[in-house]
Amino acid sequence: QKEVEQDPGPLSVPEGAIVSLNCTYSNSAFQYFMWYRQYSRKGPELLMYTYSSGNKEDGRFTAQVDKSSKYISLFIRDSQPSDSATYLCAMSVYAGGTSYGKLTFGQGTILTVHP
Amino acid sequence: SQTIHQWPATLVQPVGSPLSLECTVEGTSNPNLYWYRQAAGRGLQLLFYSVGIGQISSEVPQNLSASRPQDRQFILSSKKLLLSDSGFYLCAWGGPDYGYTFGSGTRLTVV
Repeated sequence: QKEVEQDPGPLSVPEGAIVSLNCTYSNSAFQYFMWYRQYSRKGPELLMYTYSSGNKEDGRFTAQVDKSSKYISLFIRDSQPSDSATYLCAMSVYAGGTSYGKLTFGQGTILTVHP
Repeated sequence: SQTIHQWPATLVQPVGSPLSLECTVEGTSNPNLYWYRQAAGRGLQLLFYSVGIGQISSEVPQNLSASRPQDRQFILSSKKLLLSDSGFYLCAWGGPDYGYTFGSGTRLTVV
């Protein structure tokens, strides 16, 4: 079983739709949760960052973490064609004084928003 | 502001040839640095990380090595490339309590 599971899609939605992206994980030690957006042939770009459980909102994006269910979500409201990209979830265990924390990624979900 | 530079953007190398990919970070000191590889249609796999000059930790056994000769410079190398080394290589800096920033990546094709 992979530590982080993410449905690769692809997911195709019409412009203006609400998009829901999800990841599940098995390591209960994960404390830091991130969502990255990656355009084709580019490096991942940090979208949302959450520590522990709860919700975080930034413009059209909302990230949710449910540690009891080991489940994280990213919601995109009023989706735009420019949101078409691969979305990667990532999570980390804090490693104490070294401040090093290995990022474990999901496989990524390919999203297409069509006009 | 902090920036991360990675080059070259694309590279085509024959099997058995050496490899050197370079990454530099500006605007911060003593960053944690990482090398990841992304195979087609898959997530990112951590290859190496470094918490300081000369300090390298390897996550997976492979045909690659890493070095950190200066505080903000991270180099990925190979003496002899294999076909299986093809992929998208990404350098990153950061930490779990303040996030990670990735470079633009190097697409390596071994032929």
